[in-house]
Amino acid sequence: GPKVLQIPSHQIIDMGQMVTLNCDPVSNHLYFYWYKQILGQQMEFLVNFYNGKVMEKSKLFKDQFSVERPDGSYFTLKIQPTALEDSAVYFCASSWDFAETLYFGSGTRLTVL
Amino acid sequence: QQKVQQSPESLIVPEGGMASLNCTFSDRNSQYFWWYRQHSGEGPKALMSIFSNGDKKEGRFTAHLNKASLHVSLHIKDSQPSDSALYFCAVSGDSNYQLIWGSGTKLIIKP
Repeated sequence: GPKVLQIPSHQIIDMGQMVTLNCDPVSNHLYFYWYKQILGQQMEFLVNFYNGKVMEKSKLFKDQFSVERPDGSYFTLKIQPTALEDSAVYFCASSWDFAETLYFGSGTRLTVL
Repeated sequence: QQKVQQSPESLIVPEGGMASLNCTFSDRNSQYFWWYRQHSGEGPKALMSIFSNGDKKEGRFTAHLNKASLHVSLHIKDSQPSDSALYFCAVSGDSNYQLIWGSGTKLIIKP
């Protein structure tokens, strides 16, 4: 089936540093998402992105977070600066339309020390 | 604000048995309902969607939606060890641009 690729699979950084998480979504999808999951628990919505713009973001999408997809390349989540509470697994997802099935990547496990 | 709750938190079912997972939501105007499954170390994968009241069957999986009682369920017939996973119910939120996820049911199929 359709694949979403996330790079890297693991990232360890020191608190206060910047980190960029990369996502290669399904090629013909138009909507892109980031979710946060802690300890295999609930999936928490961060943001969705369409036509070069953030459509909606949650309270978890702090000012230190930003997303972009320059020129159809990777869809990225940047955190600058990072905090200890940012440690989690971050999942990227994409869909053809907002009411369609989301396809998820395998996640990036972020550890902030 | 849409709230989605799942029960039970965990469930053990013998191989070949029926697993029943429940999900309640708070907004009667919700339109889109999904069940996703997440195996350890992977991202969630969509199992099935249901948009109308009633039953929807796909192979061993049957989803049931009752908007009046704010309830959606998933039933897995002839459960297999490979069905052991974390199951999420996801419901469209106030804006339909985002899904509100339940906290998941951990299903263990015992051989």
